Amino acid sequence: GNSVTQMEGPVTLSEEAFLTINCTYTATGYPSLFWYVQYPGEGLQLLLKATKADDKGSNKGFEATYRKETTSFHLEKGSVQVSDSAVYFCALSDQGTGRRALTFGSGTRLQVQP
Amino acid sequence: EAGVAQSPRYKIIEKRQSVAFWCNPISGHATLYWYQQILGQGPKLLIQFQNNGVVDDSQLPKDRFSAERLKGVDSTLKIQPAKLEDSAVYLCASSLLSLDRAYNEQFFGPGTRLTVL
Repeated sequence: GNSVTQMEGPVTLSEEAFLTINCTYTATGYPSLFWYVQYPGEGLQLLLKATKADDKGSNKGFEATYRKETTSFHLEKGSVQVSDSAVYFCALSDQGTGRRALTFGSGTRLQVQP
Repeated sequence: EAGVAQSPRYKIIEKRQSVAFWCNPISGHATLYWYQQILGQGPKLLIQFQNNGVVDDSQLPKDRFSAERLKGVDSTLKIQPAKLEDSAVYLCASSLLSLDRAYNEQFFGPGTRLTVL
């Protein structure tokens, strides 16, 4: 079956530091990959996505590259801000079938200090 | 465009009681999902509907959980009887369904936080 493993948190960084949150996956088919973000008191929001190998998803300064050879989709940002403090979830879904439900990792809490 | 609506936002019950959650998806979204998010974990799929038919309910504990989506719009998730381990946030999400695309973005509601005492 499908599974997602991401690094445990919390990750605590100072403002303007470089961020990496690791994510690896196992999938029976050829999945689409996602990063979702959950800000305090808010619902889950799609941050970025990639649907094929070597695709780079990007949004709000965050980036992640779909690496099929290493089954990874690590999230990076060059300079974090206090407003980036949130919980980040890596997720995947099957392509090509009607079963498009998301399989999530356990989440990584990011705390950015001023 | 209105988002996914859920109610209630919070619910506290005692074990062995019953509870129901309601979800109204984004207009025109044929696919509706219910996820369970236990504290400290990622959301886990309970059931997926396409219109009013069930696509996947393999992870739904059918001895106590039930869900329906009459008329292919609103959906209700019920727990009867509740156990302590059912304490979680119950998330509803909806999406278009086009198999021509590699993915269909899911839009999440705010969730219902259930506490079972």
